[in-house]
Amino acid sequence: DAGVTQSPTHLIKTRGQHVTLRCSPISGHKSVSWYQQVLGQGPQFIFQYYEKEERGRGNFPDRFSARQFPNYSSELNVNALLLGDSALYLCASSSMTGSNQPQHFGDGTRLSIL
Amino acid sequence: EDQVTQSPEALRLQEGESSSLNCSYTVSGLRGLFWYRQDPGKGPEFLFTLYSAGEEKEKERLKATLTKKESFLHITAPKPEDSATYLCAVQAAGGTSYGKLTFGQGTILTVHP
Repeated sequence: DAGVTQSPTHLIKTRGQHVTLRCSPISGHKSVSWYQQVLGQGPQFIFQYYEKEERGRGNFPDRFSARQFPNYSSELNVNALLLGDSALYLCASSSMTGSNQPQHFGDGTRLSIL
Repeated sequence: EDQVTQSPEALRLQEGESSSLNCSYTVSGLRGLFWYRQDPGKGPEFLFTLYSAGEEKEKERLKATLTKKESFLHITAPKPEDSATYLCAVQAAGGTSYGKLTFGQGTILTVHP
């Protein structure tokens, strides 16, 4: 079975631009979460969506937004990019929200801001 | 606020030299503690979930244990292919972000042949 897939794998943008990252969860998983991982650190929680509704938000500015589609895929949008937004953006899916079922991660999108 | 601290930051072992990684946590009610392995350029790969103090899980050369304040990942007779960054994360019970995982900074394990 296919795991969590993310696209694109790499992306280079300049300051002030916006970016859209995409995620397809494992088949049957209805919950999608987004994390930011800066080099040398653990992932930081950005958002969680379940059944197309936002169920959690981390300490990120309003430049970050996300949505989930009827097929449970998800997009993460970042506006007015800053140099500090350079990171690996990870998507994770799980079967339910609020449960202790493990989240399974994709290989991420490496975003570089010039 | 939930916090996770992992030690050591980096660990170098000879093949066959057993050791342990530590994960100390502070959380307002533990729903689950998770161990992941991350290889360079890849996303975290799920290893174990622990739910309550005293619980243990094993997989090949890895064994994870849990107390009320910390978790240990024991590596027995490691091989070079066990080299990776090992991440610990906690999920809190309740709160407004139901599925949020709080991660530690990871332990970089290098196993030399």
